[in-house]
Amino acid sequence: SQKIEQNSEALNIQEGKTATLTCNYTNYSPAYLQWYRQDPGRGPVFLLLIRENEKEKRKERLKVTFDTTLKQSLFHITASQPADSATYLCAPKGSGNTGKLIFGQGTTLQVKP
Amino acid sequence: DAGVTQSPTHLIKTRGQQVTLRCSPKSGHDTVSWYQQALGQGPQFIFQYYEEEERQRGNFPDRFSGHQFPNYSSELNVNALLLGDSALYLCASGTPSGANVLTFGAGSRLTVL
Repeated sequence: SQKIEQNSEALNIQEGKTATLTCNYTNYSPAYLQWYRQDPGRGPVFLLLIRENEKEKRKERLKVTFDTTLKQSLFHITASQPADSATYLCAPKGSGNTGKLIFGQGTTLQVKP
Repeated sequence: DAGVTQSPTHLIKTRGQQVTLRCSPKSGHDTVSWYQQALGQGPQFIFQYYEEEERQRGNFPDRFSGHQFPNYSSELNVNALLLGDSALYLCASGTPSGANVLTFGAGSRLTVL
């Protein structure tokens, strides 16, 4: 069955450093991979989408890579700030117009001042 | 422009009871998906509605049912509540597309005693 793995342990880093979060998937050939941010008690918020034919995507301080050979996506936040502290969810998705989006369990990032 | 709105925000029920949760999608969106999120886990797909029909369903029992109205709003009904149904229920809206980027509401926190 399709499986998505994100680091279950919280990631603690110092302000100003680069945070790197990992999303691995198995039994999957996603055409897209999405990253969302979720704050406690709130719904996820869409951050970035990367397509299978894209190696890298950037948006301000965020960078996502997508390696379909390794079946892995990396999510980087450069010059991290305490306001970046949240849980980050990845969601690979196959091609086709279907509504089902499968999420990983999320990685909690804590940026310390 | 209002995003996705959900009601109620919190509710407490007892085992065996029934609950109805409501969702209004973001303006311009016509698909509504429902997710269940247990503490410390990623959102789990329940089902998606489009054009007033259930289009896709996750691995949830028939106790979970839904409806979409002509104005695109939606309801999630859960019958015969179990303690394990306690979770954050998220509604997400979007448009039919391969990428299926979703806009989430803040969720309805259900506690079953």
